[in-house]
Amino acid sequence: DADVTQTPRNRITKTGKRIMLECSQTKGHDRMYWYRQDPGLGLRLIYYSFDVKDINKGEISDGYSVSRQAQAKFSLSLESAIPNQTALYFCATSDSPGTSGRDTQYFGPGTRLTVL
Amino acid sequence: AQSVTQPDIHITVSEGASLELRCNYSYGATPYLFWYVQSPGQGLQLLLKYFSGDTLVQGIKGFEAEFKRSQSSFNLRKPSVHWSDAAEYFCAVVERGSYIPTFGRGTSLIVHP
Repeated sequence: DADVTQTPRNRITKTGKRIMLECSQTKGHDRMYWYRQDPGLGLRLIYYSFDVKDINKGEISDGYSVSRQAQAKFSLSLESAIPNQTALYFCATSDSPGTSGRDTQYFGPGTRLTVL
Repeated sequence: AQSVTQPDIHITVSEGASLELRCNYSYGATPYLFWYVQSPGQGLQLLLKYFSGDTLVQGIKGFEAEFKRSQSSFNLRKPSVHWSDAAEYFCAVVERGSYIPTFGRGTSLIVHP
């Protein structure tokens, strides 16, 4: 079984709809992240959480919100989807060795979201 | 401004040929350096990483990378490419003292038979 799972894997929705993307992990990691990937732009960080009570905005958080329901679960919501939120969304976790910044990121398979 | 650059959007090689993917960074101090690979339809997977010490690091799938401080580069290499190496490759950096990676825009590798 995959260590980091994302549901749904594909979603087509309409402008103005509320959408939730879910991420679950069995790696036991405290740190979780949400990224979006657009062609030619690489990965950009939306939100990250270093434990259940810690939520931080990333580079492109406008139009998104998150919820860390448990150590293993981190959900991303689009309150009112718009077409330019069409992208591939990745959830990731990371281990947290003693020295900051040395984390390896472990990615889920991604959710392809299309907003019409 | 701090940045990570992958100059090549696409690279095409023949199977069996050697490969070098470029990554340059612009940070005050040498950041932590990573290469990830994204196979079609999958998430990213770590290939290798560099923190300090020996400037040539070995990774999985036969990849290696060399850190060159003078050139602010961390280029990924493989001596003989296999068709299964066709994927998107991302360089990532983490500024020392930070926890958050910055990813390059990626290089798409196409392998011809």
